[in-house]
Amino acid sequence: QQQVKQSPQSLIVQKGGISIINCAYENTAFDYFPWYQQFPGKGPALLIAIRPDVSEKKEGRFTISFNKSAKQFSLHIMDSQPGDSATYFCAASIGASKIIFGSGTRLSIRP
Amino acid sequence: DGGITQSPKYLFRKEGQNVTLSCEQNLNHDAMYWYRQDPGQGLRLIYYSQIVNDFQKGDIAEGYSVSREKKESFPLTVTSAQKNPTAFYLCASRMDRGQGGYTFGSGTRLTVV
Repeated sequence: QQQVKQSPQSLIVQKGGISIINCAYENTAFDYFPWYQQFPGKGPALLIAIRPDVSEKKEGRFTISFNKSAKQFSLHIMDSQPGDSATYFCAASIGASKIIFGSGTRLSIRP
Repeated sequence: DGGITQSPKYLFRKEGQNVTLSCEQNLNHDAMYWYRQDPGQGLRLIYYSQIVNDFQKGDIAEGYSVSREKKESFPLTVTSAQKNPTAFYLCASRMDRGQGGYTFGSGTRLTVV
């Protein structure tokens, strides 16, 4: 119930393409869904986050799509660039409790 | 600038030794966390603290210890009881009131030699 399942484990996308990473959860009490981006040897950084009262949030080339009824949310990276190559983690939490992370997706953007 | 500082960036430990990883934050965040990350793997929670002088075990606490004597500091000790300590260790903090994501430090890479 406390898990967040993330797929795919790795993803290769051509430059300029759309990268899509999916996550699913079971606990309907989750009320905060952040995405983190991590470059090798660095700590993860908060990329974008959404709450379940909205179905989509966009920040620049990054969009979260949220489907409350299906208990799924996804990250879309438009016009993917080589600089977007990183590991991405989805996550979820309830109120101020600890954040539950997905297993991560290693994204590679081919030039 | 506010943030989280982890030190050292690289640490080498001989087998049988205890080592302490430092984590300091000046964000005035209430909660602090320690995660372990193995190569190509996700984040596993070691310990967390939501208030000074109180902390809870995470999913992989065996072989580790922590203290929270000050709001700004949450050091992690990797003891000799931890059989496979070589990993990347990440400290994070979060404002306990309201909601928001974690702020992570830049990590400490621990290697047993």
